[in-house]
Amino acid sequence: EPEVTQTPSHQVTQMGQEVILRCVPISNHLYFYWYRQILGQKVEFLVSFYNNEISEKSEIFDDQFSVERPDGSNFTLKIRSTKLEDSAMYFCASQVEETQYFGPGTRLLVL
Amino acid sequence: KNQVEQSPQSLIILEGKNCTLQCNYTVSPFSNLRWYKQDTGRGPVSLTIMTFSENTKSNGRYTATLDADTKQSSLHITASQLSDSASYICVVSFNFGNEKLTFGTGTRLTIIP
Repeated sequence: EPEVTQTPSHQVTQMGQEVILRCVPISNHLYFYWYRQILGQKVEFLVSFYNNEISEKSEIFDDQFSVERPDGSNFTLKIRSTKLEDSAMYFCASQVEETQYFGPGTRLLVL
Repeated sequence: KNQVEQSPQSLIILEGKNCTLQCNYTVSPFSNLRWYKQDTGRGPVSLTIMTFSENTKSNGRYTATLDADTKQSSLHITASQLSDSASYICVVSFNFGNEKLTFGTGTRLTIIP
């Protein structure tokens, strides 16, 4: 069964560094999403992406964040200058019809 | 502000027993309500999706109900198994098409032998 995959599974970075989180959505899906989950808290919507552009973004998704689909398969989330509070699990999801399928997540730790 | 509240926060039951998890939401306008299962350190997995016109939806031992008038939903798990131990998250969407999901805080369910 097709799955959403994410790399890396874990990333440790220094505050102020740039990180790129990668996702490969399920191939025939058209809508893509990034979510984050701070340890012990609920999942929070970051951004949705459709037709090669951002459809909607939350207040969390500020100028430090960007997304792109560089090659028609990968879907990336870039954090330009990481802060301590960016430490979280980041989930990518892709959607067909009503169902969103989540990847296994990337655990980001900012030191 | 759109909110999704769940109760109880955590629940421990014996293997084989049934349980019911509750969800209240204030999301408006409402598109659909989903229940997800999230194992520790993993991404959420969809269990059920209901639109405002549906009252109940089943997926194996999972049965979700929805009362759109009172903005309440429940997830009933029958004959629980050890593998049911996970967080169960109520998620409400208020967009149509490109869906922005609002997640509840989840109920942490533990099944003990």
